[in-house]
Amino acid sequence: AQKITQTQPGMFVQEKEAVTLDCTYDTSDPSYGLFWYKQPSSGEMIFLIYQGSYDQQNATEGRYSLNFQKARKSANLVISASQLGDSAMYFCAMSRISNFGNEKLTFGTGTRLTIIP
Amino acid sequence: DVKVTQSSRYLVKRTGEKVFLECVQDMDHENMFWYRQDPGLGLRLIYFSYDVKMKEKGDIPEGYSVSREKKERFSLILESASTNQTSMYLCASSFSRSVVRMDFGPGTRLTVT
Repeated sequence: AQKITQTQPGMFVQEKEAVTLDCTYDTSDPSYGLFWYKQPSSGEMIFLIYQGSYDQQNATEGRYSLNFQKARKSANLVISASQLGDSAMYFCAMSRISNFGNEKLTFGTGTRLTIIP
Repeated sequence: DVKVTQSSRYLVKRTGEKVFLECVQDMDHENMFWYRQDPGLGLRLIYFSYDVKMKEKGDIPEGYSVSREKKERFSLILESASTNQTSMYLCASSFSRSVVRMDFGPGTRLTVT
């Protein structure tokens, strides 16, 4: 079974500072994918970034990067130069990768990020 | 952009009623999923489908069933709604299992009284 742990229920960060949202995972699968989603107050889930377990380099997408430390089983999301629009709920998720590809996603409980002007 | 739509944004039903939540995607995605979201619990998978007429149980299928008669439509059914099924329900789809991105609908907030 897969498990995702997000230990920070809420965070307050000053605008323009960098933010690190913690995510640790547990799995016995040899291949897996790690995801981050953003959920603003409007409720829609927005895909941010993906890291495969065999990817050598950390994934980056604009201001988002995923700090993947396989030995520690952590997949922290780093947001550089935070903006007011980054205020949202953030979910870490993982999937098992089989011969068919990515299987269903398992989500963590989320971190509510609030950016302070 | 792929669009995932859900039939209702808000729904209020009475205990014991049969409830249908509809989800439609317009980009020929193979895979469709139903999650429920509760504060402090994150998103939990109820049912999913990798193909038409195919369904698999997720982590919390009890009290729910699903139907996928057409590729673009995935319905979640609450046979006899109960108050503990009051929640936000999110539908999602993905093109195939070789594609990592999953797209979500806007959600249906269901209240069972």
